Amino acid sequence: DTGVSQNPRHKITKRGQNVTFRCDPISEHNRLYWYRQTLGQGPEFLTYFQNEAQLEKSRLLSDRFSAERPKGSFSTLEIQRTEQGDSAMYLCASKPQTGGQYEQYFGPGTRLTVT
Amino acid sequence: GNSVTQMEGPVTLSEEAFLTINCTYTATGYPSLFWYVQYPGEGLQLLLKATKADDKGSNKGFEATYRKETTSFHLEKGSVQVSDSAVYFCALRSNFGNEKLTFGTGTRLTIIP
Repeated sequence: DTGVSQNPRHKITKRGQNVTFRCDPISEHNRLYWYRQTLGQGPEFLTYFQNEAQLEKSRLLSDRFSAERPKGSFSTLEIQRTEQGDSAMYLCASKPQTGGQYEQYFGPGTRLTVT
Repeated sequence: GNSVTQMEGPVTLSEEAFLTINCTYTATGYPSLFWYVQYPGEGLQLLLKATKADDKGSNKGFEATYRKETTSFHLEKGSVQVSDSAVYFCALRSNFGNEKLTFGTGTRLTIIP
């Protein structure tokens, strides 16, 4: 069990460019969550997957954002036509399965800076 | 919807001082409550949790009690150390459906020797 990993850890991009982040959850965790944390704020829920199915998307997730989890293992979050307001830390978390007794385990995050 | 209101920081204390960080919540049903800690340059770590009313979560000398009557989950520690310097987040989670976490804005704690 190596924990949740995220790549890259840092990304600097110019406005209008597309970026993609990757999250590798803990092995066999079937739930995967994406959160966004802006400076001075707590993380906010973006979306989550149960295996490969994306079950819910927050209103924060505009149509420029898309997330996938094609084989129910790793997940990608893509932002198209980035804007300066997209600058934030993007956090991924995974959970063994449904049920209140199971915890979410967070990765270290990907810090995006849009210039 | 669910929300968490957390004591604003930053908070600066001397080593061995008593710590309280206030947290109140609004939620439907019976959520679970959490405190997460984020050390500089690191990811979120679960510090402690409580899953029902009157439960007390504890870890590393920190404690918090789930108070349903006051909808609160205040974090306390009797004697803080320099190594406790971090950002602390209060959070709640519904125990059905998406089970997403709803976080407060965080409190930055700095302990000076």
